[in-house]
Amino acid sequence: ETGVTQTPRHLVMGMTNKKSLKCEQHLGHNAMYWYKQSAKKPLELMFVYNFKEQTENNSVPSRFSPECPNSSHLFLHLHTLQPEDSALYLCASSQRDRYYGYTFGSGTRLTVV
Amino acid sequence: AQTVTQSQPEMSVQEAETVTLSCTYDTSESDYYLFWYKQPPSRQMILVIRQEAYKQQNATENRFSVNFQKAAKSFSLKISDSQLGDAAMYFCAYRRLYGGSQGNLIFGKGTKLSVKP
Repeated sequence: ETGVTQTPRHLVMGMTNKKSLKCEQHLGHNAMYWYKQSAKKPLELMFVYNFKEQTENNSVPSRFSPECPNSSHLFLHLHTLQPEDSALYLCASSQRDRYYGYTFGSGTRLTVV
Repeated sequence: AQTVTQSQPEMSVQEAETVTLSCTYDTSESDYYLFWYKQPPSRQMILVIRQEAYKQQNATENRFSVNFQKAAKSFSLKISDSQLGDAAMYFCAYRRLYGGSQGNLIFGKGTKLSVKP
């Protein structure tokens, strides 16, 4: 365990379902991130939260809705997804003003059927 | 915008041998950080090594070392005495230091490393 915990580990959902991904860190970091990892593509940054405030939304469709209730928790709410949204969703955290890089969770493998 | 390119989708190395993974990047910044991450089948992205652009000395972490060529914008990873546990996807990443999106990591597509016993 790296200190960043993601649940669930696997998720299969229909296109009309609503589900949420959860990420939790107790490393004292002040920034949290959602990344999408698809086969043969670079990791795509989706959302950035800095001190609980969303600072970036990289043109992510509205069917993905992030929530950051506090600096330790991050959610990604999913609704009416498409099959092309199937991917590994990675959460990460960091100290925004330090160069130590990110600490990642193990990801949620999402399959949309 | 910054980009990171890993030109080797797959690499293979014999156990105990040495392998070098390539990474190039494009930036107009003079100060930044570079990273190599490892992602084994467990999916956990693990930081392998990092390099500050203002340091000329190449970073080293045990069997892992980098060859940082700032002028050429090249950042290769050398794995010595390869072990079976080194088999994984390796991602090169760039992080700018100043300005908007400070702290956001930009990743390459990755290189899949296989280690043969």
